[in-house]
Amino acid sequence: SQQGEEDPQALSIQEGENATMNCSYKTSINNLQWYRQNSGRGLVHLILIRSNEREKHSGRLRVTLDTSKKSSSLLITASRAADTASYFCATDPNRYTGANSKLTFGKGITLSVRP
Amino acid sequence: NAGVTQTPKFQVLKTGQSMTLQCAQDMNHNSMYWYRQDPGMGLRLIYYSASEGTTDKGEVPNGYNVSRLNKREFSLRLESAAPSQTSVYFCASSVRAGGGSEQFFGPGTRLTVL
Repeated sequence: SQQGEEDPQALSIQEGENATMNCSYKTSINNLQWYRQNSGRGLVHLILIRSNEREKHSGRLRVTLDTSKKSSSLLITASRAADTASYFCATDPNRYTGANSKLTFGKGITLSVRP
Repeated sequence: NAGVTQTPKFQVLKTGQSMTLQCAQDMNHNSMYWYRQDPGMGLRLIYYSASEGTTDKGEVPNGYNVSRLNKREFSLRLESAAPSQTSVYFCASSVRAGGGSEQFFGPGTRLTVL
């Protein structure tokens, strides 16, 4: 069963615009991660935000986490055609380091950036 | 440093045939995972190995077996392939299971079962 649910399912924007993608989840988490998948390739880790963090930045990426609403958002600023990909949120439910937790992935958001 | 490698890249099987998907990582990671990805379903965990010598079922283990051969290698076996197992299979590894460890993915194996 999917823990994270991304929204929207598909997003099409013009190059230079910002892209905002959302993820909601059901149970408490240790951390939430975002991954990117280019067509026909494996997933690549983008950013991890822990449950005690509210916002995190990495280059053009900004991730927020609201544990009270059980939601996260990924913002890509000044998008480029190369950002065209699928984006997945993944939740890590365990609280204790070393426990056998398993990431649970959402179904993904397809982002198209038009040149 | 090749990261996570998977073989083969593509495979076509007939119903009832068996095959083993191979995965290896050279990052000295403790934990390894097998996922399948189907359209509209995201990634679903088949089996994982938190550390060498241990394996555990994930969300969709039926029809599959795994072997953690050593710290580097984690194989997935389909004993009697079925059309429902047509999918893209990804292997991943992480430093450890849990505790905020990011996962590194291989390029995937596209499997078609006729």
